[in-house]
Amino acid sequence: GEDVEQSLFLSVREGDSSVINCTYTDSSSTYLYWYKQEPGAGLQLLTYIFSNMDMKQDQRLTVLLNKKDKHLSLRIADTQTGDSAIYFCAESNDYKLSFGAGTTVTVRA
Amino acid sequence: DGGITQSPKYLFRKEGQNVTLSCEQNLNHDAMYWYRQDPGQGLRLIYYSQIVNDFQKGDIAEGYSVSREKKESFPLTVTSAQKNPTAFYLCASSNDRATYNEQFFGPGTRLTGL
Repeated sequence: GEDVEQSLFLSVREGDSSVINCTYTDSSSTYLYWYKQEPGAGLQLLTYIFSNMDMKQDQRLTVLLNKKDKHLSLRIADTQTGDSAIYFCAESNDYKLSFGAGTTVTVRA
Repeated sequence: DGGITQSPKYLFRKEGQNVTLSCEQNLNHDAMYWYRQDPGQGLRLIYYSQIVNDFQKGDIAEGYSVSREKKESFPLTVTSAQKNPTAFYLCASSNDRATYNEQFFGPGTRLTGL
C-alpha cells in the first residue's frame, strides 16, 4: 500500500540478525503488525505492537516503534533458513489493514 | 480444526468470463476480507464485510463483486469487466471484538487470465 513503505529485499547470513524497516503515515493507527508469507501461502501474523509502546520482544523477534518518525522495525535474532519469506508491515485503520509491499528476506548459508 | 479455506488453488479465466473464488471460515469471525496480491505491490483490499448481508468496497473494487449471505462464507466474483485479473487472491477473517485486529488468512487462489 502506498501509505506503508518497506525496502523490497534483504539478504542475510544464517546465524546473523535481520532487521526489516517500515515507515507508515497514519498517526492514528492503534496497532502495527508484522506478517510473514512463505512461498505460495497465505500470511500469518508474526507479532504486533500497540501504538503506545516503544518495544516488544517475543523470543527471537524484537519490534521497535518510533511513533514520532512513524518508523517500525522488526529484528530477527539468529536468523535461520526457515526465516526465508516475505515480511509485511501493516497499520490498522478501523477494521482495515494497510500493508506495505513486503520485504523478501533471503537467508544464505 | 479451525481455519479459513479457499478454493480452487488455481483458476484460469477466459476473456469475457466471470469466475467465482470461494472463501469459507469456521472461526466464528464476523469480519471477512478479500485482497489481491501482485508482485512488488503488497496486498490491496478489494472488498470487506463486517457482518452478514453487508459489505463495503475496498481500494480496488472495480471489476469485482461479493456476497455475504452466511457468516462462514464470503465468495468473490471476478467479472469480465476486470481486464487484468492475473494475481494471487487472499481471503482473511477477523474477530472485531478482539483487542487487536489480527486477520487470519487463507492459503490463497492463483488466478490467471487467458
